[in-house]
Amino acid sequence: GAGVSQSPSNKVTEKGKDVELRCDPISGHTALYWYRQSLGQGLEFLIYFQGNSAPDKSGLPSDRFSAERTGGSVSTLTIQRTQQEDSAVYLCASSSPSGSFYNEQFFGPGTRLTVL
Amino acid sequence: KNEVEQSPQNLTAQEGEFITINCSYSVGISALHWLQQHPGGGIVSLFMLSSGKKKHGRLIATINIQEKHSSLHITASHPRDSAVYICAVWLWRGGGSNYKLTFGKGTLLTVNP
Repeated sequence: GAGVSQSPSNKVTEKGKDVELRCDPISGHTALYWYRQSLGQGLEFLIYFQGNSAPDKSGLPSDRFSAERTGGSVSTLTIQRTQQEDSAVYLCASSSPSGSFYNEQFFGPGTRLTVL
Repeated sequence: KNEVEQSPQNLTAQEGEFITINCSYSVGISALHWLQQHPGGGIVSLFMLSSGKKKHGRLIATINIQEKHSSLHITASHPRDSAVYICAVWLWRGGGSNYKLTFGKGTLLTVNP
């Protein structure tokens, strides 16, 4: 079956512009995560959605970052007034609803964001 | 001090060698993941474990909860094993967000033919 997909694969934008990154999780997966990986840095948790529960936004670095998940499926990560330090690969992952909250996660290919 | 420490940061091996990558963490966890990231490629989940040992093909992952330590072993290493290996743990935070997934900085493994 299809894995996690993300679009666009690459995004170049100018400082100060808003960007939207999209994630399509695996069908039936109720948990969805956003991470980012800056050049030379490790992965950083951003936000987590689980079903209809309120999202865990504790990893969002500033109020310029927001995310929503419509219909419990597709998610959009929005970065407003982008800054150069926002340049990174943004990764989305999903996991199945069965068993533990800490289930295996399936990662998308990522969106490489470059802010000029 | 990082809450999740991996060692070594870089590892170069010859094909066929036995590889060990280590991960230590500072606070209580509920589960630990080992992930693999190929250059320019996506991330693949290798293992998730909360106790004991798991094996998949040439890969073995162990965890010692008391010592707050996990190891990833690769037997009979091959050049296609060359990748970044990342340890990720659900660390106890307390409060509303009880656990948070925290990543190590990764170990870059290069296996030469």
